[in-house]
Amino acid sequence: DQQVKQNSPSLRVQEGRISILNCDYTNSMFDYFLWYKKYPAEGPTFLISISSIKDKNEDGRFTVFLNKSAKHLSLHIVPSQPGDSAVYFCAASAGYSGAGSYQLTFGKGTKLSVIP
Amino acid sequence: DSGVTQTPKHLITATGQRVTLRCSPRSGDLSVYWYQQSLDQGLQFLIQYYNGEERAKGNILERFSAQQFPDLHSELNLSSLELGDSALYFCASSVGLAVNEQFFGPGTRLTVL
Repeated sequence: DQQVKQNSPSLRVQEGRISILNCDYTNSMFDYFLWYKKYPAEGPTFLISISSIKDKNEDGRFTVFLNKSAKHLSLHIVPSQPGDSAVYFCAASAGYSGAGSYQLTFGKGTKLSVIP
Repeated sequence: DSGVTQTPKHLITATGQRVTLRCSPRSGDLSVYWYQQSLDQGLQFLIQYYNGEERAKGNILERFSAQQFPDLHSELNLSSLELGDSALYFCASSVGLAVNEQFFGPGTRLTVL
């Protein structure tokens, strides 16, 4: 039972264009969402996060949008750069409110390739 | 560099054997988490320790155990190894209990032959 789903295993985007990575979740207890980037032979690197009390969080070229009613979040990268090529994992926890667990539930990842 | 270190980087062993994976969290971090990433799978949460005490358990097999020592480093012990235990094992740390952002080490790749 996958509680966090990334339905696109891969995405190819031209350099300078927008990359949109999507993530859906099923557990309504999740109240904090994170995106991680992973290069081969390295551990995941924290990128950006959003709590359930917000619908948007921005950090430089990266913006995460949360649609709670649809149980959907997305990561926008603008403009995309070749160095952004990596596997992106969506993760969720139920710990923001303090009532749940801080363990992260991960999606299977989307491999982003940014073409020069 | 996340500041989380894991040793060894690679481990090759045989079925039925026992191995120990080691993790040193970032300086000042009290929480340590262990995750398993098998082929074609996302990261699966195994177990969390906070300041030496077990705080949460995920999909951890009974053959696996972990502990966190007074100096806050953690070890994950895998015993009676099976072929299906071959995976990447990641350790992550966070500054406290009530923190969602976790910082990951480079992982240990375990191959069971």
